Formats: sequence, C-alpha cells, structure tokens
Amino acid sequence: EDQVTQSPEALRLQEGESSSLNCSYTVSGLRGLFWYRQDPGKGPEFLFTLYSAGEEKEKERLKATLTKKESFLHITAPKPEDSATYLCAVQASMDTGRRALTFGSGTRLQVQP
Amino acid sequence: EPEVTQTPSHQVTQMGQEVILRCVPISNHLYFYWYRQILGQKVEFLVSFYNNEISEKSEIFDDQFSVERPDGSNFTLKIRSTKLEDSAMYFCASSVGTNTGELFFGEGSRLTVL
Repeated sequence: EDQVTQSPEALRLQEGESSSLNCSYTVSGLRGLFWYRQDPGKGPEFLFTLYSAGEEKEKERLKATLTKKESFLHITAPKPEDSATYLCAVQASMDTGRRALTFGSGTRLQVQP
Repeated sequence: EPEVTQTPSHQVTQMGQEVILRCVPISNHLYFYWYRQILGQKVEFLVSFYNNEISEKSEIFDDQFSVERPDGSNFTLKIRSTKLEDSAMYFCASSVGTNTGELFFGEGSRLTVL
C-alpha cells in the first residue's frame, strides 16, 4: 500500500524566515511525486511534479527536490501570502495499473508579518 | 483561466437520502475524478472516469456510489443512501491525461449528513 507521511504537521514562520517541509513516501515504483497547495475551504492547487531522484523544480519562493525516499519543499524568504496547507502526493508506476494519487496529511504553514 | 466548477457548495441531507453532486470539468480535459476529504483528514481518491466509463476506483467507492457524465459538460457523483460517515468535502478534478498527477480541482462540495 502506498503511503505518504508529511512533517511537520504545522509550521509557523516569520516573514523572511526560510524553512523546509518534508514528505517521505513508500510506493510500488514511483511514477511521480506532486506538490499541491490548499487554501482553507478550497481545492488543492497543483504546484510541481517530480519524476526522478535528483530532480528539482522552482516557482517563485518555492523549490521542490526529490530523493529515492523523500521530497522536500523549500520555502525561501516566505511572505504571508504563502500561508496555506502544502500537500504531497504520489502516483505509482504504470505497471501497477494504478493512476490514483495518494496524498499525505499536509503541512499547515503560517507566515506571520 | 479555465476552472473546474462544482455545485452545490454545501448540501445538508438526512441519513438515507440520495445526493447528487455536480461538476463541470475543464472543457478540453478527458479524465475526470472525484476525491473526498473528511474534516481534518487526508484527501482520498474515490474514482476516475474516462471515455464514459470508470477507469479506476477505490475501496471507498462501493455500490452506494455512482458516477455519470450525462451530457458533454457535466460530471456527477451520486450517493444513493447517505450515511453519517459520508460527511466530507467532495472534490471534483480533471486532467488532460491520466498519467499526469497535474489535476485541476474544483472548490469542493461540502456534504453534511445528519
């Protein structure tokens, strides 16, 4: 069974204080690992796809990295508008026949001005 | 920017009643999904739909659930006889392909079963 564990559950940062969120995963062959942002009362919003260990993706103040067992979402000099829950999800490899995403519980980030 | 729209935003129903949640996916997308999120818990996969048939479903998606694409734009989730434990936020999503994890989610329909 695919499993995704995210830590910490919640993180409070001061504006400009950089940090990292962790996503560790167990999957029957990884097709892709995905990061989403979820604002309160809204649906998840896609951020990044990572396919192989060593891959990195960047978008504004966010950078996602991937190893064979975990992924990190680095937040550099965050702003209050970065406050949200960040979700990690995995998709198993094509030979499993599964395409559904398995999500983690998320990290709730609060950035204070 | 194209978006997935869902109705209703909130529905309250009595246990045992039938509920239909509606979604309009992004127009050029071919794959459609329902996920749900019980308050304080993970987002969970229910079902995916392609070419007018279910392509994958989870253990949650039992005989009480059904999906349909009644016309060229709508995608619906029906719960035949709601239970208390069906109370959750239900998210519709769509994607261009099935091998992508880049899903476009709607804002959700909150279902409260009393």
